[in-house]
Amino acid sequence: EIVLTQSPDFQSVTPKENVTITCRASQSIGANLHWYQQKPDQSPKLLIKYASQSISGVPSRFSGSGSGTDFTLTIISLESEDAAAYYCHQSGTFPQTFGQGTKVEIK
Amino acid sequence: EVQLLESGGGLVQPGGSLRLSCAASGFSFGSYAMTWVRQAPGKGLEWVSGITGFGSGHYADSVKGRFTISRDNSKNTVNLQMNSLTAEDTAIYYCARPYANSYLDHWGQGTLVTVSS
Repeated sequence: EIVLTQSPDFQSVTPKENVTITCRASQSIGANLHWYQQKPDQSPKLLIKYASQSISGVPSRFSGSGSGTDFTLTIISLESEDAAAYYCHQSGTFPQTFGQGTKVEIK
Repeated sequence: EVQLLESGGGLVQPGGSLRLSCAASGFSFGSYAMTWVRQAPGKGLEWVSGITGFGSGHYADSVKGRFTISRDNSKNTVNLQMNSLTAEDTAIYYCARPYANSYLDHWGQGTLVTVSS
């Protein structure tokens, strides 16, 4: 099973700050890495597919990068509505797995 | 519009069984794999099981041998039969659609399973 390790687990951020969340895979997964946002009491929502590809309707301040084992989700100029948990997910190998999540709080 | 509607959650005693269903609409169901993801209270997301359009199933190690995924393409439904349930299986269970067996582009609202005596 491929283990995805996110860092940090928690981040408290001021609006307009930039946020960087990393996801490290225990073995290479190419670009089969996706990012989701989950707000309280809501279902997860797809943010980025295949490490860096944007999703229609997702604000352009969200971007992804990386390949192989190291991936990054970046939020440029955080807005208050971005308070949420963020998860990475690998679809390269069964069983598929998620990272443990990163909670972003707005100061 | 793609819609996924889970049902079948509830309270079950340890060692018991439960069958979850997910009714899909708004897309060509038989052409897509389907996935179950769960979230224990206050915890993160856990991939549970997936099934290809042809019916081949995959499982997380934590549920292998206890859970069985199936689908009925004539009824546009995917099911999760859960046996030998323990408290660690308590979670919201989400049905999700993987696009090309990869990213999960649509999610249901989830159904709560509580395992308790």
